[in-house]
Amino acid sequence: GESVGLHLPTLSVQEGDNSIINCAYSNSASDYFIWYKQESGKGPQFIIDIRSNMDKRQGQRVTVLLNKTVKHLSLQIAATQPGDSAVYFCAEAQVGGKLIFGQGTELSVKP
Amino acid sequence: NAGVMQNPRHLVRRRGQEARLRCSPMKGHSHVYWYRQLPEEGLKFMVYLQKENIIDESGMPKERFSAEFPKEGPSILRIQQVVRGDSAAYFCASSPRESATSEQFFGPGTRLTVL
Repeated sequence: GESVGLHLPTLSVQEGDNSIINCAYSNSASDYFIWYKQESGKGPQFIIDIRSNMDKRQGQRVTVLLNKTVKHLSLQIAATQPGDSAVYFCAEAQVGGKLIFGQGTELSVKP
Repeated sequence: NAGVMQNPRHLVRRRGQEARLRCSPMKGHSHVYWYRQLPEEGLKFMVYLQKENIIDESGMPKERFSAEFPKEGPSILRIQQVVRGDSAAYFCASSPRESATSEQFFGPGTRLTVL
């Protein structure tokens, strides 16, 4: 069946370092992916998205890479800050717009 | 421009009671999605609605759960005869259009606790 999963449940980085969060997906027909950030007690917050006709997309301090050959997504956060501490989810959009979420990676930033 | 609003933020029910969760989408959005999040897990799709229509309820349990999005007023997720396993955070998201490439904006969620 279809699934979106993350390789690591937790990630701890030093403030100022770069963070890389990985995600695998199984539906090769998917053509739209989103990364969300969820802070404790809040709803998911959109970070960045990418369509399948792209390999890379950059935002402010964040970059998403898509490798369709191995069905892998990654989120890179540059110069990680304490405010980046949260759970990060990748999500895959399906027909009609419903999202399939991965389990999540908890990012912890050490000062 | 207010974001997606959900109420109540916290809801406590005893087993067998009914829970009603409300979601007001962003202004101009006519597409609403409901998701459930169990502790330490990702969000799971439940149902997708447009005004007065259920488009996709493939993620909704067949019994006790229902959803509506009337012409006027918020979308309602209703859980009848709640059980402890219904304890979770319920999020709604809205979108301006039906599209697999359209960003969804999430509300703050309703945290349901069943005693």
